[in-house]
Amino acid sequence: KAGVTQTPRYLIKTRGQQVTLSCSPISGHRSVSWYQQTPGQGLQFLFEYFSETQRNKGNFPGRFSGRQFSNSRSEMNVSTLELGDSALYLCASSLSSGSSYNEQFFGPGTRLTVL
Amino acid sequence: AQSVSQHNHHVILSEAASLELGCNYSYGGTVNLFWYVQYPGQHLQLLLKYFSGDPLVKGIKGFEAEFIKSKFSFNLRKPSVQWSDTAEYFCAVEGRSGQNFVFGPGTRLSVLP
Repeated sequence: KAGVTQTPRYLIKTRGQQVTLSCSPISGHRSVSWYQQTPGQGLQFLFEYFSETQRNKGNFPGRFSGRQFSNSRSEMNVSTLELGDSALYLCASSLSSGSSYNEQFFGPGTRLTVL
Repeated sequence: AQSVSQHNHHVILSEAASLELGCNYSYGGTVNLFWYVQYPGQHLQLLLKYFSGDPLVKGIKGFEAEFIKSKFSFNLRKPSVQWSDTAEYFCAVEGRSGQNFVFGPGTRLSVLP
């Protein structure tokens, strides 16, 4: 079956703009998590959505937001972009959330560059 | 709060050498443990996972990891590395009570042919 897909794969924006990234989970997966990956900070958890509800949130400012649709697809939005937002944004899907089995499958990521 | 540390930032080995990458976590409850690998230009893939039972778990490509509860450790091992094992390796912890994943900072492994 198809893996996790993320669009777009690459994005260039300027400071102050906003951006929306999209993630389509593996069919049947209801949980979607977002991560930011940078050379300096590594992989940092942004938030997790399950059944259209945000279940967990990492320590990121309110400029970072997300949502999940009824078909489990998820979008992440970053407003008022800053240079430090340049990163690889990864989406991961899993069957469920908060269970004892929560293997995550990762997408290829969206490489965001802020100029 | 959960945290994960990985002992080495960058490990350089020759082919056929043995590998051990350290991972320690801090968390007060029961956890699920994972090792992920990211090959150059590819996305994160699961190497192996521990949920319960035998603390020695075997994963893909000859990797194994041992969960030592008393040491809060989950070290990754491979008896003989290959050039194709060159990648970045991430240890991750998930609290059983539904807490989010926490990843370690990663260890870059370079295997010299």
